[in-house]
Amino acid sequence: SAVISQKPSRDICQRGTSLTIQCQVDSQVTMMFWYRQQPGQSLTLIATANQGSEATYESGFVIDKFPISRPNLTFSTLTVSNMSPEDSSIYLCSVQPGGNYGYTFGSGTRLTVV
Amino acid sequence: EDKVVQSPLSLVVHEGDTVTLNCSYEVTNFRSLLWYKQEKKAPTFLFMLTSSGIEKKSGRLSSILDKKELSSILNITATQTGDSAIYLCAVEASGTYKYIFGTGTRLKVLA
Repeated sequence: SAVISQKPSRDICQRGTSLTIQCQVDSQVTMMFWYRQQPGQSLTLIATANQGSEATYESGFVIDKFPISRPNLTFSTLTVSNMSPEDSSIYLCSVQPGGNYGYTFGSGTRLTVV
Repeated sequence: EDKVVQSPLSLVVHEGDTVTLNCSYEVTNFRSLLWYKQEKKAPTFLFMLTSSGIEKKSGRLSSILDKKELSSILNITATQTGDSAIYLCAVEASGTYKYIFGTGTRLKVLA
């Protein structure tokens, strides 16, 4: 299955600032997915990122708050903009490499907004 | 609305016990169900189930899907402290390539 390098691993940010999370995959994949996991909660899909087109956002998530880039088939970034303490979560990127392996996840970014 | 429900929400057992975790779902055009183990941040893949009644097995872990009952179970035998984690179930609806995750079961195994 695919290997995903995600960074940063963790960060503590001031409210009102922005943080960009990067994911690099070791193989070309059509779709990349960005998830959020708030404390004590399960994973919620933020958006699906396709190369060459705008990301598709899930209900409750907007591009102005979570802009996504997908410049090629191995890389994507998610920016968390104008952060507030409610954005404190684990953010995960994932891909579906095919076969019977479901999603593969990056190592995750633990974000704390103070 | 598609949803995935897991039970119990949390569970505390002693080493050597056997546990059964449950996942039930309501999705349009079910395609596959996944089980993951989450210890720190990134969930790690355990099983993918697509066909009803066929058990997937890996060491002390096994899982089976019941499409008639819209559910799946994950069994862990002879539990060890290293099994302590959150176990997540996720379901994909046909044609979406998106998985809906359940709330997870937090398992704690005491020595």
